Amino acid sequence: KAGVTQTPRYLIKTRGQQVTLSCSPISGHRSVSWYQQTPGQGLQFLFEYFSETQRNKGNFPGRFSGRQFSNSRSEMNVSTLELGDSALYLCASSLADRENGYTFGSGTRLTVV
Amino acid sequence: LAKTTQPISMDSYEGQEVNITCSHNNIATNDYITWYQQFPSQGPRFIIQGYKTKVTNEVASLFIPADRKSSTLSLPRVSLSDTAVYYCLVGAAERDYKLSFGAGTTVTVRA
Repeated sequence: KAGVTQTPRYLIKTRGQQVTLSCSPISGHRSVSWYQQTPGQGLQFLFEYFSETQRNKGNFPGRFSGRQFSNSRSEMNVSTLELGDSALYLCASSLADRENGYTFGSGTRLTVV
Repeated sequence: LAKTTQPISMDSYEGQEVNITCSHNNIATNDYITWYQQFPSQGPRFIIQGYKTKVTNEVASLFIPADRKSSTLSLPRVSLSDTAVYYCLVGAAERDYKLSFGAGTTVTVRA
């Protein structure tokens, strides 16, 4: 079956711009989480969505937002981009009970110049 | 989520068995132990999950002692393609909405 699909794979943006990243979870998975990965900070949790509702949020500024659609697809938006937002953004999906682990996508590599 | 401690790096050679031990002294009764593998520029991949004793699947084994304060991921007969970062996570799926990844263990397999 198809895995978690993230688009685009690579993205270059300028400081001050905004960006929207997309994630399509595995069919049947209703939980979608977003993570930011940088060499210095490692993997950091951004937020999780379940049934179109944000269930939990990490310690990121309000410039980072997301949403989930009725088909469980999710988008993440970052406004007023800063150089420090350059990172690999990963999306993970899981079944409702999350007991079988998370399946991650390959990520979107965002570079802010 | 229970805090975990694992070695920063390990070196091995092809064909050897690699054992990575993770310490989680404050593990809670309902917590599971889960291991993920990550290759550069890819998302982490679920390897194995266990609660107690021993769990084995097609890629690895997970050994958990009776006190559950540590666990050991065992990778049998590693190959060059097993070079990756391995993360140990401890938590209860039904209440932990986020995964807390530490620095992980960088395993380097040499020919």
